[in-house]
Amino acid sequence: GAVVSQHPSWVICKSGTSVKIECRSLDFQATTMFWYRQFPKQSLMLMATSNEGSKATYEQGVEKDKFLINHASLTLSTLTVTSAHPEDSSFYICSAPSAGLGSPLHFGNGTRLTVT
Amino acid sequence: QKEVEQDPGPLSVPEGAIVSLNCTYSNSAFQYFMWYRQYSRKGPELLMYTYSSGNKEDGRFTAQVDKSSKYISLFIRDSQPSDSATYLCAMSAKGGNNAGNMLTFGGGTRLMVKP
Repeated sequence: GAVVSQHPSWVICKSGTSVKIECRSLDFQATTMFWYRQFPKQSLMLMATSNEGSKATYEQGVEKDKFLINHASLTLSTLTVTSAHPEDSSFYICSAPSAGLGSPLHFGNGTRLTVT
Repeated sequence: QKEVEQDPGPLSVPEGAIVSLNCTYSNSAFQYFMWYRQYSRKGPELLMYTYSSGNKEDGRFTAQVDKSSKYISLFIRDSQPSDSATYLCAMSAKGGNNAGNMLTFGGGTRLMVKP
């Protein structure tokens, strides 16, 4: 089945530093990938849509200058949390549709970010 | 009122029981329905994917969609402790590469299967 790989699985960083999270589609190409954020015991909240070769589309309330998204190839999207603060601590998950019309989303295993 | 409602649980059942998980929704345009299983500190894993109304079976799992009632269900037969996880329903009006930003999730139901 379709596999989405996310790295790192967890990261601890100091306040003010930046963290990059990678999302790769291992056995399929994804012109579009999606980044979600999940707080404990809550459902997924879509942050942005990553588009290969063009700018990402951000959901309302998500700071595009804080959460930088780059989709440089058909198999890789990155999310960089810039100048991280403790309130950015969360579980970040990427996803991608595996095929064409009607295909469901497949998710990475998530990245747990802790900002101290 | 949320667009997709899902009882958060927790739902606790003994091993071997039949589990019924449900979601209701308000948007009649939804046509694609999914169930995801999420273990603690892991990403959601796709379990079932259905289009429009009807039933779909895969091993111990059966997904039902009743569009007339705006109600979907996931049944788990012979539940196992390894089924203990959070189950998320998700739905969209449109499939394809735009599904991610048109996907509406339920809040998830936490299931605990006790040995």
